[in-house]
Amino acid sequence: NAGVTQTPKFQVLKTGQSMTLQCAQDMNHNSMYWYRQDPGMGLRLIYYSASEGTTDKGEVPNGYNVSRLNKREFSLRLESAAPSQTSVYFCASSEIGAANEKLFFGSGTQLSVL
Amino acid sequence: KQEVTQIPAALSVPEGENLVLNCSFTDSAIYNLQWFRQDPGKGLTSLLLIQSSQREQTSGRLNASLDKSSGRSTLYIAASQPGDSATYLCAVRVTGGFKTIFGAGTRLFVKA
Repeated sequence: NAGVTQTPKFQVLKTGQSMTLQCAQDMNHNSMYWYRQDPGMGLRLIYYSASEGTTDKGEVPNGYNVSRLNKREFSLRLESAAPSQTSVYFCASSEIGAANEKLFFGSGTQLSVL
Repeated sequence: KQEVTQIPAALSVPEGENLVLNCSFTDSAIYNLQWFRQDPGKGLTSLLLIQSSQREQTSGRLNASLDKSSGRSTLYIAASQPGDSATYLCAVRVTGGFKTIFGAGTRLFVKA
């Protein structure tokens, strides 16, 4: 059971470089999310996709873009990385409207921007 | 704006002790509340989900309660074990939207 798969697991970027974080889920969930986790701050929502074909901003969207490629895949792009984007990034999915709409998380991407 | 707070930030207990982790939220208009476990360097695993109409949920040695009127939830862990050592996060999904707001977590250490 793969669940939510994120790639890569680790990445080091230089300021100004770009990269895309990939996420795929095999649970047929309609909603997908990108969070970042910083020490002492909990998880903060960057963007989410309530269903295929839709995306919306979360709490901290600046500096990021997303693409809901299909029902399974939701990518997060950093166009010009900044040191403030050093963080651990988590992708998650859920079945909104289900009786038990738990959030399922990937294992995370640790990103360092130098 | 919904805010979720977890106190204490860290807790150390001897093995076998029963313990309670606390979570408070500022807006009672929530759709559900979840408790998660996070091991170092890993993703989050949902432990319990309480719908807004429910008062508690149980799974094995875990029991989570919800009091919307006071903006509080507790996670009760019975007979704690060293394997319970992890960070526990509380999160609320706001009513009328898709956003889930997380607390910063309580880091639990159970000493053998």
